Amino acid sequence: DAGVIQSPRHEVTEMGQEVTLRCKPISGHNSLFWYRQTMMRGLELLIYFNNNVPIDDSGMPEDRFSAKMPNASFSTLKIQPSEPRDSAVYFCASSRGQNTGELFFGEGSRLTVL
Amino acid sequence: KQEVTQIPAALSVPEGENLVLNCSFTDSAIYNLQWFRQDPGKGLTSLLLIQSSQREQTSGRLNASLDKSSGRSTLYIAASQPGDSATYLCAADQGGKLIFGQGTELSVKP
Repeated sequence: DAGVIQSPRHEVTEMGQEVTLRCKPISGHNSLFWYRQTMMRGLELLIYFNNNVPIDDSGMPEDRFSAKMPNASFSTLKIQPSEPRDSAVYFCASSRGQNTGELFFGEGSRLTVL
Repeated sequence: KQEVTQIPAALSVPEGENLVLNCSFTDSAIYNLQWFRQDPGKGLTSLLLIQSSQREQTSGRLNASLDKSSGRSTLYIAASQPGDSATYLCAADQGGKLIFGQGTELSVKP
């Protein structure tokens, strides 16, 4: 299995631009998680889906952030408009089952907003 | 609100030494406790998962223990090697979401 696949690996954009991060979970996994990692705050859960349905989005910082999972093999995290404080590494992870179980992470998308 | 703390933040040891990483959590109502490894610029790799009903799990030179009543978990690494150098994170499963500690950055010197 190819594991969790994220794209792009690196993104540099200017403040105010729209950013879309993409994730393909492991086939057969029905839970998907978006995390953000910064030096100051560590790993923070933004949102997670179970069977393509958003279960908890309480970690989404503000309305500029949105996430979708149109099918079992694809999810997006969108930031519009982006701000310098959004600069971070964004990780997607997936697992089997509704309780987390063993979590498998992608390599991450490093976002820099100038 | 669950809070997960890891001590120490950084650790440097000579090769061959046995070592213990500590993790504490404030809410004992967890489904499981997981340990991960993160190499620089990479994602997280799952090392061990201890179910709430278990006391410990072992994988090779790694042994993780869980004491829910005291809100503590430890990761024991035997006979450390330079290849073990990485950041180790623990995470408490609150039922559908993992709450992470800040990690312990481990450096094993040859």
